Amino acid sequence: QLQLQESGPRLVKPSETLSLTCAVSGGSISSTSFYWGWIRQPPGKGLEWVGTFYYSGSTYYNPSLKSRVTISVDTSKNQFSLTLRSVTAADTAVYYCARHNGGGGDFDFWGQGALVTVSS
Amino acid sequence: DIQLTQSPSTLSASVGDRVTINCRASLSISPWVAWYQQKPGKAPKLLIYKASSLESGVPSRFSGSGSGTEFTLTIFSLQPDDFATYYCQQYNSYPYSFGQGTKLEIK
Repeated sequence: QLQLQESGPRLVKPSETLSLTCAVSGGSISSTSFYWGWIRQPPGKGLEWVGTFYYSGSTYYNPSLKSRVTISVDTSKNQFSLTLRSVTAADTAVYYCARHNGGGGDFDFWGQGALVTVSS
Repeated sequence: DIQLTQSPSTLSASVGDRVTINCRASLSISPWVAWYQQKPGKAPKLLIYKASSLESGVPSRFSGSGSGTEFTLTIFSLQPDDFATYYCQQYNSYPYSFGQGTKLEIK
């Protein structure tokens, strides 16, 4: 069974960089069949798509974050990472990593989520 | 960017009821719509993809329909486990986007 697990610092200071890693087990992020992504959810609010990547190197980012966000891949460790620079309190959210469903843009497998708080 | 508007924002219903949640898009997105169920403290769960396809393992009381800019999630015969928040998502084009959510409460 596919499993995704987010890890990384849960407290980040304003203006610094948020970094999270998603470890994938039970499947390969190098599979040609799937894309992978990040979604976030501020406390008590709705879902926001952050970005998506394909193992070949193609990446797609939400324009609202594009200048600050990078998704990178480590196929040797079967994991991918999210970096968000110059964070503010508005970036406080639960960050989920997830797999896209086959060739589509919907998400069929999700990590449990990681609450990252931006505060001094 | 494509905006999704869900209605209602909150819905009160009883076990056994049939309920309908609507999702309206600012542009035609057919059929690239998904529906998710989210419970407090948990990740969203995929229910419906490609507007009307039932995800494997999801009970058949969940049904999706619609085309163009108007989409609907119907739950036939509500069960106690169904009280949660529901989101629609469009993946017709980047940036992908979600509706603001519909909270389904027990009447």
